[in-house]
Amino acid sequence: EAGVAQSPRYKIIEKRQSVAFWCNPISGHATLYWYQQILGQGPKLLIQFQNNGVVDDSQLPKDRFSAERLKGVDSTLKIQPAKLEDSAVYLCASSWMGLTSFADTQYFGPGTRLTVL
Amino acid sequence: AQSVTQPDIHITVSEGASLELRCNYSYGATPYLFWYVQSPGQGLQLLLKYFSGDTLVQGIKGFEAEFKRSQSSFNLRKPSVHWSDAAEYFCAVGAGGNEKLTFGTGTRLTIIP
Repeated sequence: EAGVAQSPRYKIIEKRQSVAFWCNPISGHATLYWYQQILGQGPKLLIQFQNNGVVDDSQLPKDRFSAERLKGVDSTLKIQPAKLEDSAVYLCASSWMGLTSFADTQYFGPGTRLTVL
Repeated sequence: AQSVTQPDIHITVSEGASLELRCNYSYGATPYLFWYVQSPGQGLQLLLKYFSGDTLVQGIKGFEAEFKRSQSSFNLRKPSVHWSDAAEYFCAVGAGGNEKLTFGTGTRLTIIP
């Protein structure tokens, strides 16, 4: 089966510019996650969708970050305006039910590496 | 709040030697524990997971991990490493249900000939 797709793979922007990332999850997966992975750190969850509803966005900087998952399939994450500290890899993941249970596993995409100058 | 500590930032192992990567967690109840591997330019891949039952968990690529409640640890082991095992390894803890995973800062593994 096809994995989680993300684009672009790399993006370089100036601070205060805007940027958008796209994610297409594995077919049939109800849950979609966006993570931020800063160099030298583990991934940090930004937002979790169950179908097209938000389950958890407690760590999303809502003054500059936004995300949507229309029709419960693919998703976009936007940053506007970008800051230097937003330089990171943005990972998208999906899972069947969104439960941290034996039957459920998060599958990760390759990520988008963002550099803010 | 749950947390994960991976005390080793970088480990170097000779090819064919055994490997142990350390992971300590903090969580009030029985945790759900995971090990992921991330190769350069790749997303994270699940190696193994623990939920209950047998405390020794077998995973893919010949890896195993042992849950020790008394030590709050979930160390990853492999009896003989291969050059292709060079990667970043992340331990993660979850609370169950739809609670988010909390990842450690990772351990970078280098394999020398």
